[in-house]
Amino acid sequence: DTGVSQDPRHKITKRGQNVTFRCDPISEHNRLYWYRQTLGQGPEFLTYFQNEAQLEKSRLLSDRFSAERPKGSFSTLEIQRTEQGDSAMYLCASSLPQGSGNTIYFGEGSWLTVV
Amino acid sequence: EDQVTQSPEALRLQEGESSSLNCSYTVSGLRGLFWYRQDPGKGPEFLFTLYSAGEEKEKERLKATLTKKESFLHITAPKPEDSATYLCAVQARSGAGNQFYFGTGTSLTVIP
Repeated sequence: DTGVSQDPRHKITKRGQNVTFRCDPISEHNRLYWYRQTLGQGPEFLTYFQNEAQLEKSRLLSDRFSAERPKGSFSTLEIQRTEQGDSAMYLCASSLPQGSGNTIYFGEGSWLTVV
Repeated sequence: EDQVTQSPEALRLQEGESSSLNCSYTVSGLRGLFWYRQDPGKGPEFLFTLYSAGEEKEKERLKATLTKKESFLHITAPKPEDSATYLCAVQARSGAGNQFYFGTGTSLTVIP
């Protein structure tokens, strides 16, 4: 079963360090999403790609955050100069092209702890 | 503003005791309403998509229904393995329509 794959699953980093998360979507899905979730909250939208184009970014996404999807396949989310408030689970999701179904399917998430 | 509210925040049920979870939404044109199950430390697992008022979907002990203002997730004769957080999300037709707005979830505990 090749679902959405995220790596690493857990990351502990010191404040001020940079971290990068990788997401491999379901193979036929051209749409890819990044969400952030903290304890007791629902996922919050960060950014959306259609193929390699980043089409939407949330106001939550400060300039320390950058996401890429260079060849329209896997994506990376980088957080520079991490802060303790960045501690959360970062979720990647993917979906089929528009018109083929709206449902987004999530990976298992990448837990970030900033100490 | 598009908004999703789930209730109750937490629910404890005896095994076999049926109940319903609520998801109220306000959205400028509903493209779809989605239910997910989330186990601790894991990503949300897709359950159902509903597109229009009156639609119903079923899967094992779960049944999702949709009206113009809310959705219900009915759990019939739950088992301990149904314990999880259940998340509701809506996708709006407004804007680029690619954002999914999530509620904060209902944490369900089923006691043997």
